[in-house]
Amino acid sequence: DTGVSQNPRHKITKRGQNVTFRCDPISEHNRLYWYRQTLGQGPEFLTYFQNEAQLEKSRLLSDRFSAERPKGSFSTLEIQRTEQGDSAMYLCASSLVGQNNEKLFFGSGTQLSVL
Amino acid sequence: ILNVEQSPQSLHVQEGDSTNFTCSFPSSNFYALHWYRWETAKSPEALFVMTLNGDEKKKGRISATLNTKEGYSYLYIKGSQPEDSATYLCASYSSASKIIFGSGTRLSIRP
Repeated sequence: DTGVSQNPRHKITKRGQNVTFRCDPISEHNRLYWYRQTLGQGPEFLTYFQNEAQLEKSRLLSDRFSAERPKGSFSTLEIQRTEQGDSAMYLCASSLVGQNNEKLFFGSGTQLSVL
Repeated sequence: ILNVEQSPQSLHVQEGDSTNFTCSFPSSNFYALHWYRWETAKSPEALFVMTLNGDEKKKGRISATLNTKEGYSYLYIKGSQPEDSATYLCASYSSASKIIFGSGTRLSIRP
């Protein structure tokens, strides 16, 4: 296994369009996180899953954002009716809960630009 | 403290100098404190996972300490090298639920 994979690496879209990103975690990892990062800030928590269950979604996240992890493996993050303020790096990370010294493994991110 | 706070925001250090920075985190429901290094054009990578009050971890020239009662951790870099230039992130892991990051400390090493 080569690590956490995210697609696409870059996405340019027009305001009002819908976009979907995919994350493939490390195969044995049961937890998956989505974060958003803008210039000069640390990763901002969006949502996380344990297996297929979405355990929490940030209250800062509008209803335009939705995430799924249908079979407890890969996950998708959809943004509907994109706005210029959605432009950011979207990071996915996975971990194995219950492992001693559990830590996050990150993908390379998807850079979204909304024009 | 409700959020994870890091200071300073940025730091410029001469090669060979030692440096340190701070992470403050909520001490209630503490489970673990993580440090990550994020180099430009790469993904964040874990440096340390710390769980016990008084914990000290070391990896080469980098070390970290943890005080869970007062909610702070220090990261130290001894004899800074150009390859240490990166953003250093700390993250609080409370009650084994979500992991929340600070804004990071951006470290630049001057040759």
